Amino acid sequence: DQQVKQNSPSLSVQEGRISILNCDYTNSMFDYFLWYKKYPAEGPTFLISISSIKDKNEDGRFTVFLNKSAKHLSLHIVPSQPGDSAVYFCAASGQYSGAGSYQLTFGKGTKLSVIP
Amino acid sequence: EAQVTQNPRYLITVTGKKLTVTCSQNMNHEYMSWYRQDPGLGLRQIYYSMNVEVTDKGDVPEGYKVSRKEKRNFPLILESPSPNQTSLYFCASSLVQMNTEAFFGQGTRLTVV
Repeated sequence: DQQVKQNSPSLSVQEGRISILNCDYTNSMFDYFLWYKKYPAEGPTFLISISSIKDKNEDGRFTVFLNKSAKHLSLHIVPSQPGDSAVYFCAASGQYSGAGSYQLTFGKGTKLSVIP
Repeated sequence: EAQVTQNPRYLITVTGKKLTVTCSQNMNHEYMSWYRQDPGLGLRQIYYSMNVEVTDKGDVPEGYKVSRKEKRNFPLILESPSPNQTSLYFCASSLVQMNTEAFFGQGTRLTVV
């Protein structure tokens, strides 16, 4: 059962426009959400995160929105640049069992292509 | 430079031949983890470790072993590799728990024939 879902395998956006990447989750125990970016032949790199006590977190061109009631989060990139072309993974963490026991669950990823 | 180093980057092996993929971090992180990435399946956690001598299973632990004898190292052991373990493997570390920023290694491309 997939607990973190990224339903769009790919997304194409014109340079300068907004990119919106979506993520849905099912486990109400998740209390922290992260976005990672991955280029080919490299490991994922951390992009931005949000705690479940917030509904928005902004870092430069990147903003993450969290809608807890809908169990939905989204990553907005404005303006999009060709260098943003990568695979974006949504991830969630929370206490699964026992004190201090945290795991990170990833979605399948969305490949973003920013067209010059 | 803060980094997570995996070795080897590429490995082709035969079914049943034991192998170890090493992972080392230089950030004094307590938390380390192994993932595999497969097409259409994203990143799935194999094992994680919250500190020295403390390890636990992730989502797909079957066929894998880990050990954490030192804080900086977290090797992944395949005692008897099978073709379904052909995958791209990533090691990651974070300061405390995985709700803080995790640093990933560059990956190990394993092919089991």
